[in-house]
Amino acid sequence: DTAVSQTPKYLVTQMGNDKSIKCEQNLGHDTMYWYKQDSKKFLKIMFSYNNKELIINETVPNRFSPKSPDKAHLNLHINSLELGDSAVYFCASSQGGTPPYEQYFGPGTRLTVT
Amino acid sequence: GQQVMQIPQYQHVQEGEDFTTYCNSSTTLSNIQWYKQRPGGHPVFLIQLVKSGEVKKQKRLTFQFGEAKKNSSLHITATQTTDVGTDFCAGNNAGNMLTFGGGTRLMVKP
Repeated sequence: DTAVSQTPKYLVTQMGNDKSIKCEQNLGHDTMYWYKQDSKKFLKIMFSYNNKELIINETVPNRFSPKSPDKAHLNLHINSLELGDSAVYFCASSQGGTPPYEQYFGPGTRLTVT
Repeated sequence: GQQVMQIPQYQHVQEGEDFTTYCNSSTTLSNIQWYKQRPGGHPVFLIQLVKSGEVKKQKRLTFQFGEAKKNSSLHITATQTTDVGTDFCAGNNAGNMLTFGGGTRLMVKP
């Protein structure tokens, strides 16, 4: 059983389109995250979502919006895609509370915007 | 905001040589985590350090957390080709948000 799964694995789309990436975790975790990893492997937190509390990295454009239908799912919707959005997007989850617990990452979604 | 710097960015070693990556934070951390990302894969949690001056070992890997809780290191003894990949440190000073270092990409020549 995959602990954290993402779909699709690859996504190729044109500038200006809107797309969504789905994430599901079966670990019973309270907190889920979205990360962006660029071509230089820099891994940047985009969002943290814990029991309806959304924490946004202020550098993330508002074209990106996370949506959580329930505790096990955190989807990422991106409007008006730009070339610079091309990257690998990782979903992750962890137990909530302090100290921060280890994060379990999904396999990633490679987004290519042409 | 909090910044976490990691050096070196890249490291080539001959199999059997030792390797160390260093992590420095601009602010005092409450804890630090280390992750390994193998080529084509996703980051996988290795360990968490919480106490000032803490040292933890996992087989050939030794992790240290500085006395001031602003720096950390990962040392691999006698590298193997299976060690290739990118090692990331990730610091936390409040809440659940981690700030990842830029990673050190390790390449091991057989």
